[in-house]
Amino acid sequence: SAVISQKPSRDICQRGTSLTIQCQVDSQVTMMFWYRQQPGQSLTLIATANQGSEATYESGFVIDKFPISRPNLTFSTLTVSNMSPEDSSIYLCSAPKHQFTNEAFFGQGTRLTVV
Amino acid sequence: AQKVTQAQTEISVVEKEDVTLDCVYETRDTTYYLFWYKQPPSGELVFLIRRNSFDEQNEISGRYSWNFQKSTSSFNFTITASQVVDSAVYFCALSEVANAGKSTFGDGTTLTVKP
Repeated sequence: SAVISQKPSRDICQRGTSLTIQCQVDSQVTMMFWYRQQPGQSLTLIATANQGSEATYESGFVIDKFPISRPNLTFSTLTVSNMSPEDSSIYLCSAPKHQFTNEAFFGQGTRLTVV
Repeated sequence: AQKVTQAQTEISVVEKEDVTLDCVYETRDTTYYLFWYKQPPSGELVFLIRRNSFDEQNEISGRYSWNFQKSTSSFNFTITASQVVDSAVYFCALSEVANAGKSTFGDGTTLTVKP
């Protein structure tokens, strides 16, 4: 079973700056997923990060705003670029526990506040 | 397109009461997975249960039980003899088999259990 470590757990950032969130899985996984949870709302998938290829972004999310790296099968980063207060959210990464069961592990989340 | 509806935004009960959280889903897939997650105030997502579309057997785990009815596209969650520690946001989610870990989440139900 995969365990996911995500950091930082929280940060307060100035508008116009960028923050990179790291996600480490303790076993190799083909796909990793990045979600955003705006205050009081549900989780929305940002993108799917595949090792060795560009991330696949969901509607409403673009690479320039949320660049993603996936250098190997156990690690991924999500950068929130040129931040504004509207980017204040919890960002979570997830990875499947098993390829054929769709059960996913989630990181602890990064609580981002942009001021 | 997949959709998950949790019609109950907030529920408040008194300790020891039973409470049912509703979840209705839409999907064109014949094979899929359904999940319930708990998100306490600390923010992490706690996995509660996974059900695949071929298994309509209801499940009981301690004070928790789940009723999956494919005919009505519902996957309801009941907490028996609720406790204050059950206070959290509960999310129902739907996932395609082909994309392990990629899920569509409902908007969540905030459960408050008062002593």
